[in-house]
Amino acid sequence: DGGITQSPKYLFRKEGQNVTLSCEQNLNHDAMYWYRQDPGQGLRLIYYSQIVNDFQKGDIAEGYSVSREKKESFPLTVTSAQKNPTAFYLCATRPPKGARVNTGELFFGEGSRLTVL
Amino acid sequence: AQKITQTQPGMFVQEKEAVTLDCTYDTSDPSYGLFWYKQPSSGEMIFLIYQGSYDQQNATEGRYSLNFQKARKSANLVISASQLGDSAMYFCAMRGDNYGQNFVFGPGTRLSVLP
Repeated sequence: DGGITQSPKYLFRKEGQNVTLSCEQNLNHDAMYWYRQDPGQGLRLIYYSQIVNDFQKGDIAEGYSVSREKKESFPLTVTSAQKNPTAFYLCATRPPKGARVNTGELFFGEGSRLTVL
Repeated sequence: AQKITQTQPGMFVQEKEAVTLDCTYDTSDPSYGLFWYKQPSSGEMIFLIYQGSYDQQNATEGRYSLNFQKARKSANLVISASQLGDSAMYFCAMRGDNYGQNFVFGPGTRLSVLP
């Protein structure tokens, strides 16, 4: 089935450790996004990528890093520099402009919940 | 800068009744898209409905309709005949004129449907 797979669903990390969240898609979408969601709040953009080997910082990129070596994959690393990393992380993709079904909506994965102990 | 405001942190509605979730937006783009997403307790984001700024008619998708008032910059979601499964967080979002622009999300409204 086509979709977006995020892993792991739950992750615990000790302070000072880096951790990488995986996001894989088989929708053949060019654009991919990482959002952070804190309890009771909306989504805030961390990083996004419109094409392979290119990505841009979002509103809260500090303490995070990404790579886009393949169209299908957009992993997010939460580094030890991120001061408050406990949150719910959502990966999303977007169909290209002009795609057959295109209201421009985002397609989301099921999310990864990171807890720092 | 674009901004989405949702002034209702929480709403209650009786099963089978209709409910309106408020959303106002701010943008200087002449063309934009407005979206509503549902987030159940499991966490996934479910796309509900889309309204383009130049669409003449309000969008509808089954029990969901979007009350679009362009002059007031509002895009309220109306859910008719509420069901228990409608209990969730609801987010209003906007995409700007440039397709490459990113989505801006509101803080969300938690809807609870009472039996």
